[in-house]
Formats: sequence, C-alpha cells, structure tokens
Amino acid sequence: AQSVTQPDIHITVSEGASLELRCNYSYGATPYLFWYVQSPGQGLQLLLKYFSGDTLVQGIKGFEAEFKRSQSSFNLRKPSVHWSDAAEYFCAVGGDTGGGNKLTFGTGTQLKVEL
Amino acid sequence: KAGVTQTPRYLIKTRGQQVTLSCSPISGHRSVSWYQQTPGQGLQFLFEYFSETQRNKGNFPGRFSGRQFSNSRSEMNVSTLELGDSALYLCASSLQGGYNEQFFGPGTRLTVL
Repeated sequence: AQSVTQPDIHITVSEGASLELRCNYSYGATPYLFWYVQSPGQGLQLLLKYFSGDTLVQGIKGFEAEFKRSQSSFNLRKPSVHWSDAAEYFCAVGGDTGGGNKLTFGTGTQLKVEL
Repeated sequence: KAGVTQTPRYLIKTRGQQVTLSCSPISGHRSVSWYQQTPGQGLQFLFEYFSETQRNKGNFPGRFSGRQFSNSRSEMNVSTLELGDSALYLCASSLQGGYNEQFFGPGTRLTVL
C-alpha cells in the first residue's frame, strides 16, 4: 500500500530564511509525487509535481523539490521564505493504479513565518 | 478557464439526514475525484469517476456514494449522517485517463449537529 510521511507537524521560520519540508513515501512502483499548499478555508493548490525525468523540479512561488529514489524522499525547498508562504503544506503520492487517479496524502506540515 | 467549483460552500445538517454535494470540473476534464479532510484523519480519498463510471474507491462505508453526469459534473451523497462526517469535502478534476495532476476546488464545509 502507498503511504506518505511528513515528519514535521509544525515548522517556524523567519522571513527571508531558507525552508525545507520533509516528505518520505512508500510506493511499490514508480511514484508520481506532488506538493500542495492549503491556506485556511481554501482548497489545495498544486506547487509542483514529479512524474519522471530530472529529479530536481521547479514549481510556482519559488519552490523546488528533489526526488531521491534511494531515500524514498521528495523534500520541498525554498531559498527565502516570504510571510505569505505561511500555510499548510501537503506531500502526496499517486500512480497509475490500473488507470485511475488516486492521491495518498501526508498529514501535512503547518508553516509559520515570523516577521 | 474557470477552476473547479463546488456547491454549496457551507452546509449544516443534523444526524440521520442525508446530503448531496456538487462539483463542476474544469472544462474538458473528464475525471473527478472526491476527498474528505478532517483534523483527525487528514485527507482521505473517497472515490473517482471517469466518463460516468466509478474507477477507484477508497475505504469508506456504503453511506458515501457518488455519480458523474455526461457533462462530467459530479455529485456525492452521504446518507444517514453521523457526527464524524463533519469535514471539508474536496473535489478534484483532471484531464483524462491514465495519471494526471489533479486540480482542487475550494471545498464544501459540512457540519453535522
């Protein structure tokens, strides 16, 4: 069965500091990996995705993530955090389960940005 | 292009009632998935519809059901509501078959009293 672990429930960083959110996954085949962000009372916005190819992927809002198959990880990074980045971040894994779409999400990391 | 829309945005029901939530996918998208988000269980997959057929199903009781219409709009129904059904219900659409990124709507906040 597929699963996602986000070990950090809460993270606090100062504005302008760098950020790394951790994500480890378990999946039997080649995974499709995603990072979503959710602001309070809102739906999920896709930050970036990895399907194949270059293991360093760029996303929106200056985020990037690196797929490391040997470590089963897909950590999200941003070199300089802005106060508007405060939100909850979800890592998700999916795959071609017989032609269907299904995402398995981690429990999320709540990011707080100190000014 | 308009995004995924969900109606209603907020809903209050009492135990034992039933509820129907609606989702309109992005134009041209044929796959619609539903997720339940709660503080205790996080984001959980309910089911997916593609071309009016249920293609995937999560581990939810039969009280949770859905359908998809020929225009790809989808509804989910929860019968005999329980307090634990209080949640944010998110709908996501994606382009077609195989695996594609999913675009989420704003959700319907259901409160069961």
